[in-house]
Amino acid sequence: KQEVTQIPAALSVPEGENLVLNCSFTDSAIYNLQWFRQDPGKGLTSLLLIQSSQREQTSGRLNASLDKSSGRSTLYIAASQPGDSATYLCAVYTNAGKSTFGDGTTLTVKP
Amino acid sequence: NAGVTQTPKFRILKIGQSMTLQCTQDMNHNYMYWYRQDPGMGLKLIYYSVGAGITDKGEVPNGYNVSRSTTEDFPLRLELAAPSQTSVYFCASSDSGMHRTEAFFGQGTRLTVV
Repeated sequence: KQEVTQIPAALSVPEGENLVLNCSFTDSAIYNLQWFRQDPGKGLTSLLLIQSSQREQTSGRLNASLDKSSGRSTLYIAASQPGDSATYLCAVYTNAGKSTFGDGTTLTVKP
Repeated sequence: NAGVTQTPKFRILKIGQSMTLQCTQDMNHNYMYWYRQDPGMGLKLIYYSVGAGITDKGEVPNGYNVSRSTTEDFPLRLELAAPSQTSVYFCASSDSGMHRTEAFFGQGTRLTVV
């Protein structure tokens, strides 16, 4: 059974700091991995989708990497801003579309 | 373009009551999903659909039913509500499946069973 772990559960950083969020999964036979952002009381917003054949994806200040063999993905946020405060979740998918979500990392960026 | 719309936003049910959570998307997506999210946890898949007339069970389907008569609508039915069904429910859609294309989520329905 696939298990997805996100450590730490919570992270607090000062504005302007670069930071890394971690996602690990136990079964490396994934089809892709997706990072989401969730604001309090809201739904999820897709940030980056990495296919299993890719090593990384970038969107603005966000960069997500994927190492299937080690069962790890990281989300790098450059020059963090208070508006980046949210919960970040990763999800892995099989080629049949079955999803497994991590419990998320709650990020607080202090002005 | 409204995206994915869920109603109601909040609901309190008594044990044993039934209700339907509504979900509509206006993006003509084939894939639609229902998830539940318990406090401090990730999302667990309840049911999903790959197109009108086709539905399948996810990880935690017990106590729920779905139907997909149109591309736009994917209602989730709770029969005989139980306290264990207290959760936040999210509907999502995707053009070719979340494992291939971007997923769009509704704002969620916060359900409390007392």
